Amino acid sequence: QVQLQESGPALVKPSGTLSLTCAVSGGSISSNSWWTWVRQPPGKGLEWIGEIYQSGNTNYNPSLKSRVTISLDKSKNQFSLKMTSVTAADTAVYYCATDYSGGGSYGFWGQGTLVTVSS
Amino acid sequence: EIVLTQSPGTLSLSPGERATLSCRASQSVSSNYLAWYQQKPGQAPKLFIYGASRRATGIPERFSGSGSGTDFTLTISRLEPEDFAVYHCQQYGSSPRTFGQGTKVEIK
Repeated sequence: QVQLQESGPALVKPSGTLSLTCAVSGGSISSNSWWTWVRQPPGKGLEWIGEIYQSGNTNYNPSLKSRVTISLDKSKNQFSLKMTSVTAADTAVYYCATDYSGGGSYGFWGQGTLVTVSS
Repeated sequence: EIVLTQSPGTLSLSPGERATLSCRASQSVSSNYLAWYQQKPGQAPKLFIYGASRRATGIPERFSGSGSGTDFTLTISRLEPEDFAVYHCQQYGSSPRTFGQGTKVEIK
């Protein structure tokens, strides 16, 4: 059973960079899967941030593309999110998710981590 | 980008009643790659339906998905107490993947 665990700073200053990591256990990040980041501002709906395939191919939400980078670290079996120039509007619970072994829908999710942007 | 519109925003029903949730897409969803997720407070979303009509592993038969093209429906035949939650639809047929704004099913 694939398990995902997000980690990273809970507080980021405005104009700073948000950096999160998703550790994968029970499966290999080199499998034919999409590794995804989704966020949810407090009291709001889900927003898809972007994804990376095991080959390194990436897709991003156009509204965030200029500020977001998703990368893989196969040696550590994890993937990461970097978001630059953050504002209070980026305050949200950030989830990592995957369609492990294909299909496209997200059968596996991390528990989520709240990131607050504030000085 | 495909915009998904869910309706209603909130559904107030009693246990034992039937729930019908709608998800409408601004353009056709490729290969009916439409999923439904259930989310409870403080928890991550959980996959319930994929491919518009296929139940994920362990999901009770009272949950069913239907539809194609731009109109999709999640039906809960008889609501159990544990079914009261928020349901999100998502299309994964094209990039960017997108979610609807969610429908809250609350106890009347």
